[in-house]
Amino acid sequence: TQLLEQSPQFLSIQEGENLTVYCNSSSVFSSLQWYRQEPGEGPVLLVTVVTGGEVKKLKRLTFQFGDARKDSSLHITAAQPGDTGLYLCAGTKYNAGNNRKLIWGLGTSLAVNP
Amino acid sequence: DAGVTQSPTHLIKTRGQQVTLRCSPKSGHDTVSWYQQALGQGPQFIFQYYEEEERQRGNFPDRFSGHQFPNYSSELNVNALLLGDSALYLCASILGGDRGFGYTFGSGTRLTVV
Repeated sequence: TQLLEQSPQFLSIQEGENLTVYCNSSSVFSSLQWYRQEPGEGPVLLVTVVTGGEVKKLKRLTFQFGDARKDSSLHITAAQPGDTGLYLCAGTKYNAGNNRKLIWGLGTSLAVNP
Repeated sequence: DAGVTQSPTHLIKTRGQQVTLRCSPKSGHDTVSWYQQALGQGPQFIFQYYEEEERQRGNFPDRFSGHQFPNYSSELNVNALLLGDSALYLCASILGGDRGFGYTFGSGTRLTVV
């Protein structure tokens, strides 16, 4: 069972277009993070959202955490070829021992064509 | 400020052999997590080490074991390698108890089992 569902799985768009990637779950997370990963590299943290309804902007990227802290979206405005990569969402949960655990989505592979 | 360092970057092993991967966490971080990532997929959590103890474990067999040293560096050992163990192995570090902040990932070790 995949606790975090990302959609779409693959996305190929032209430079200048807008896009939205979704990360959905039936579980509540204490925080949710978005990472971007390029081939042969480890994921790089883009943003962490903590509060339900929170919106964060990072240049052309807008991140939103759902009111119930079960879902999130990433919107890219005027996509550029440099935005190409694998976008991963990860939710934080704490187990009974108060140990942090990241639950990962499978990722959205984005290709922006010039 | 050095990030997460992993070695080696690439490794080719024969089925049935054993392998050890190494990770030095980001300066100031005391918690290390290991992930396995298949091509085009999100990371799969293997285990997490804090205070030289395995604190959490994902759904991986006992062939996967680890260790954390007093300087917070860590090793991942895989015994009796299978072809299906071929993947990118990622190490991520964080400061224990640091709520809401994201992990710092290394660039990974690409393991190929032939």
